[in-house]
Amino acid sequence: ELKVEQNPLFLSMQEGKNYTIYCNYSTTSDRLYWYRQDPGKSLESLFVLLSNGAVKQEGRLMASLDTKARLSTLHITAAVHDLSATYFCAVGRETSGSRLTFGEGTQLTVNP
Amino acid sequence: NAGVTQTPKFQVLKTGQSMTLQCAQDMNHEYMSWYRQDPGMGLRLIHYSVGAGITDQGEVPNGYNVSRSTTEDFPLRLLSAAPSQTSVYFCASSYPPGRNTEAFFGQGTRLTVV
Repeated sequence: ELKVEQNPLFLSMQEGKNYTIYCNYSTTSDRLYWYRQDPGKSLESLFVLLSNGAVKQEGRLMASLDTKARLSTLHITAAVHDLSATYFCAVGRETSGSRLTFGEGTQLTVNP
Repeated sequence: NAGVTQTPKFQVLKTGQSMTLQCAQDMNHEYMSWYRQDPGMGLRLIHYSVGAGITDQGEVPNGYNVSRSTTEDFPLRLLSAAPSQTSVYFCASSYPPGRNTEAFFGQGTRLTVV
């Protein structure tokens, strides 16, 4: 059974600081997704990571994937209040389509 | 291009009532899925479909039925609602294998069972 674990589950940080969210998964997978969710809203796709060593960056967020360690990280650089949201990682396979296994989510609060 | 559309957005049911949550997509995606989201538990897969006429169970299927008569629609039926089914429900769709299988999510249906 595939398990996906995120840590931390809650993160409160000050604007301008850096931090990393970790996502560990238990079995082999060929793709990892990061999503953002604002309160009461749907999931917004941030990154899709398809291969070992993949690194993607968008603004203050950077995601990486280490398939050998079964670990993905989401790094936040110089946080701003607008990044406050819940971040989910999800693991899937090319053959599984929209059938994903999600982590519990990391609730990020960026304080001014 | 509407993407993935879910209706209704909000619903209150009494215990024992039945209802259908609707999900439609206009991207010609073959793969569709239903998830429920509960506080502190992330999203859990209820049922999924890899094409018209083909469905299968996910992680938490009990109390829910699905069917897939067309590529576009994937309704989720609650036959006899229970308070434990109070949750936010998301429908997702994606392309088949060999193409970009990024999942696209609907806006969600917030269901309360009293």
